[in-house]
Amino acid sequence: DSGVTQTPKHLITATGQRVTLRCSPRSGDLSVYWYQQSLDQGLQFLIHYYNGEERAKGNILERFSAQQFPDLHSELNLSSLELGDSALYFCASSVWGGNRETQYFGPGTRLLVL
Amino acid sequence: EDQVTQSPEALRLQEGESSSLNCSYTVSGLRGLFWYRQDPGKGPEFLFTLYSAGEEKEKERLKATLTKKESFLHITAPKPEDSATYLCAVQAGNFNKFYFGSGTKLNVKP
Repeated sequence: DSGVTQTPKHLITATGQRVTLRCSPRSGDLSVYWYQQSLDQGLQFLIHYYNGEERAKGNILERFSAQQFPDLHSELNLSSLELGDSALYFCASSVWGGNRETQYFGPGTRLLVL
Repeated sequence: EDQVTQSPEALRLQEGESSSLNCSYTVSGLRGLFWYRQDPGKGPEFLFTLYSAGEEKEKERLKATLTKKESFLHITAPKPEDSATYLCAVQAGNFNKFYFGSGTKLNVKP
């Protein structure tokens, strides 16, 4: 158990709908990363937040948005869903120690768009 | 174009047969190179971060090394429980983006 929690574990929805995925980082970790993993594109970096502020953005679609709240949990919002958005969505939190970053991944949310 | 390539795609080893996985990259402004292990249906498990050429990190049977163009993950005397997909990622550029390789699926037979 990494200490990072994600809800829900599974989500089935229809095209055109909107969903929200939630991530709670390990206690005290200020960084949250979001990733998408699909069979055809592998693992892709979406976005990184640090203490409530956006720090880096990957190839995140305009239909997707994220935020990190004052209690450090983060939400990833996916709207106008398409079949191709079906994937595993992971979040990770990280901590710096000894000038080195260590990441801890959550168990993921499996999204199926029908 | 920033790119990360892992080889081989799949590797079958006998228990105790040492080998190396490769992660080559072409990116501008390397910030760090990350290695992960992923079991089917689970989130990646962080293994190592390397920051500069010549750096090495070890953990049990695994040793990661970094040069200016590639990283190697050496597996010494692997056991069946080392079977997993090994992913590498590079954090690079002014915007600290992550670029992932497609992974090496390792199967260690007893």
